[in-house]
Amino acid sequence: KNQVEQSPQSLIILEGKNCTLQCNYTVSPFSNLRWYKQDTGRGPVSLTIMTFSENTKSNGRYTATLDADTKQSSLHITASQLSDSASYICGGGGNKLTFGTGTQLKVEL
Amino acid sequence: DAGVIQSPRHEVTEMGQEVTLRCKPISGHDYLFWYRQTMMRGLELLIYFNNNVPIDDSGMPEDRFSAKMPNASFSTLKIQPSEPRDSAVYFCASRNENREVFFGQGTRLTVV
Repeated sequence: KNQVEQSPQSLIILEGKNCTLQCNYTVSPFSNLRWYKQDTGRGPVSLTIMTFSENTKSNGRYTATLDADTKQSSLHITASQLSDSASYICGGGGNKLTFGTGTQLKVEL
Repeated sequence: DAGVIQSPRHEVTEMGQEVTLRCKPISGHDYLFWYRQTMMRGLELLIYFNNNVPIDDSGMPEDRFSAKMPNASFSTLKIQPSEPRDSAVYFCASRNENREVFFGQGTRLTVV
């Protein structure tokens, strides 16, 4: 069964600090791994898309890594801002994407 | 482009009533997806279309759910009859040729 598991479930950090979110997946067929940011009451917005041949991809202060051998991905957020408070969702697959339940991040002053 | 447009944004209905959710994908996108999001299960794919043709509806939970895409600019997801356990946020998304998936703002459905 295709599964995507994310950790931690929730996280609170101080503004300016860095953090790393984890994603483990067992998805087949697998062609890409995606990270989305979802603000409360809004739809998910794409942060990064990586194919199995890519190890890392950046989008501003967001950097995603992918290890296709261990089926693990991480999302690193640098110098966090209050606006980073959101749910971060990992998803993988081909045409049929399987998503995790997300990590709820809160950035505080 | 205004992005993927969904309506209504919120829907409250009584158990047993028919509910129709609407979606206008981004122009030129050839894939359209319907997802359901709950706290417990996250985003679940219900059905997806390619060039207006349903490709995989294995995620549709029951025969009470149906989806159509009569043309490239419009899709509907219908629940008949609705039940309280159908309460969730329903998202429509479309995908471009670069495989980028764009989500709408969702419809929050509450069945009482």
